[in-house]
Amino acid sequence: EPEVTQTPSHQVTQMGQEVILRCVPISNHLYFYWYRQILGQKVEFLVSFYNNEISEKSEIFDDQFSVERPDGSNFTLKIRSTKLEDSAMYFCASRQGWTGELFFGEGSRLTVL
Amino acid sequence: AQRVTQPEKLLSVFKGAPVELKCNYSYSGSPELFWYVQYSRQRLQLLLRHISRESIKGFTADLNKGETSFHLKKPFAQEEDSAMYYCALLLKTSYDKVIFGPGTSLSVIP
Repeated sequence: EPEVTQTPSHQVTQMGQEVILRCVPISNHLYFYWYRQILGQKVEFLVSFYNNEISEKSEIFDDQFSVERPDGSNFTLKIRSTKLEDSAMYFCASRQGWTGELFFGEGSRLTVL
Repeated sequence: AQRVTQPEKLLSVFKGAPVELKCNYSYSGSPELFWYVQYSRQRLQLLLRHISRESIKGFTADLNKGETSFHLKKPFAQEEDSAMYYCALLLKTSYDKVIFGPGTSLSVIP
């Protein structure tokens, strides 16, 4: 069964460094998402991506964040200059379009020191 | 404002006892609701959705528009049901955003 895959599973970085989290969505899916979950808190929507552009973003998704789909298969989340409060689990998800069901990756844990 | 609430952060029940995980929503449009589950060290996965009216792993959930609720129920809890459960709402904007409740951690005591 096809799955969403994410890399790395865990990244530790220094404050101020750039981080890129990678996702490979399910191949025939049309909608792509990034969610974030800070330890002990709820799963928060960051951004949705459709037709090669951002379709919606949350207040959390400020200028330090960007997403792109560089090659038609990978879907990346970049944090330009990480802050301590960016430490969280980041989940990528994709959706086919006919249903509302999201398929999630296993997550990338980001630790900012 | 669109919102999903789950009043219980933690819920412990004995094996064989009935389980009810509460979910309420606030949404002016026609709601489409889901329950997602996250077992220990696994990814979030869909448990069930209200439009399909199915029973998965013995769980059911009925949408009550009058009470704006979508509670998840199971008559007899099993140890393998221990997990984090998230209620989710599909916002039918142009691009269909899904928002999550804060989650309920279910612990089934043997």
